[in-house]
Amino acid sequence: DAGVIQSPRHEVTEMGQEVTLRCKPISGHDYLFWYRQTMMRGLELLIYFNNNVPIDDSGMPEDRFSAKMPNASFSTLKIQPSEPRDSAVYFCASSLGKYGTGNEKLFFGSGTQLSVL
Amino acid sequence: TQLLEQSPQFLSIQEGENLTVYCNSSSVFSSLQWYRQEPGEGPVLLVTVVTGGEVKKLKRLTFQFGDARKDSSLHITAAQPGDTGLYLCAGAAMNYGQNFVFGPGTRLSVLP
Repeated sequence: DAGVIQSPRHEVTEMGQEVTLRCKPISGHDYLFWYRQTMMRGLELLIYFNNNVPIDDSGMPEDRFSAKMPNASFSTLKIQPSEPRDSAVYFCASSLGKYGTGNEKLFFGSGTQLSVL
Repeated sequence: TQLLEQSPQFLSIQEGENLTVYCNSSSVFSSLQWYRQEPGEGPVLLVTVVTGGEVKKLKRLTFQFGDARKDSSLHITAAQPGDTGLYLCAGAAMNYGQNFVFGPGTRLSVLP
């Protein structure tokens, strides 16, 4: 299996521009997660989906952030408009089985390094 | 304030040395995981511990979950350069909806 695939690996944009990050989870995994990693705040959960339905978006920082999962093999995280403080590494992860048991295994992609100038 | 604290923040040692890193919280966790993250990559799960006092071994790595399920340690024996990376602990707690919350990590560098 190719694992979780994210694109692009790097994104440099200017403040105010729209940014779209993409993720393909591992086939058969029914949970998909978006995380953000910064030096200051570490790894934070933004939102997660179960069977393409958003379950918990309480980690989404503000309305400029939105995430969709139109089908089981694709998800996007969009930032519009982007700001310099959004600069971070954004990770997508997927897992199989019921989340919330405390015993799930998350498989992470390689991340998208976002720089907003 | 971080839910999970990890110490030390940075650690640089010579190949062959032993080391222990710690993960602490005031909250009780139903389970706790350890991940290793290499530069430019996502975290990779090493182990999950669920029972207070549990000890798990993975080759040269030994993981322990505290009796009260509030803390954990990772001990590496005879460290190798390949062990270099960011070690993250993540805990699942009932009062956080069982979502895994990550600690800030310990950045380990093993010099040849």
